[in-house]
Amino acid sequence: EPEVTQTPSHQVTQMGQEVILRCVPISNHLYFYWYRQILGQKVEFLVSFYNNEISEKSEIFDDQFSVERPDGSNFTLKIRSTKLEDSAMYFCASSDATDGYTFGSGTRLTVV
Amino acid sequence: GENVEQHPSTLSVQEGDSAVIKCTYSDSASNYFPWYKQELGKGPQLIIDIRSNVGEKKDQRIAVTLNKTAKHFSLHITETQPEDSAVYFCAASKGSNYQLIWGAGTKLIIKP
Repeated sequence: EPEVTQTPSHQVTQMGQEVILRCVPISNHLYFYWYRQILGQKVEFLVSFYNNEISEKSEIFDDQFSVERPDGSNFTLKIRSTKLEDSAMYFCASSDATDGYTFGSGTRLTVV
Repeated sequence: GENVEQHPSTLSVQEGDSAVIKCTYSDSASNYFPWYKQELGKGPQLIIDIRSNVGEKKDQRIAVTLNKTAKHFSLHITETQPEDSAVYFCAASKGSNYQLIWGAGTKLIIKP
């Protein structure tokens, strides 16, 4: 069964450092998403991406965040200057708009 | 905007019994309602979904019902098994390629 792959599974970074979270969506999917889940809280939408541009973003997705699809297979989330409150599980998902989302296993980001 | 409430937060049932988890939503424009199962250390996995033109959908031991008038939908798991133990999330969106608004999750515990 096709999978969404996320790397790394766990990232520890110092406050103020830049991090890049990587995702390989399912190959024939056209819609890509990032969500995050702070420990013990709801899953929150960050951003959706379609046709090489952001289609929707939440209030969380401020100027510190950016997304990119640098080639035909990868989809990345960059946090420019991490804060303690960015510590969370970050999930990538992809969709072909008919069968719902497929989520990756997530990257646990710990900012110290 | 959309708000999704989910109850209960924890549900403990005897193996073999049924489990029911309920969600309400606020935005009448929402028309896609997926349910996800999340096991420890893994990403959310879609287990069943329903669209607003359908009142009920069943897949083996899992069923989802939708009441559009009352704006609530429920997950039913029959003949529960130990492997059903996980956190279950409901969500709502305006379509499968729009952002998902998530419930807070239900921790389902199956007692042997």
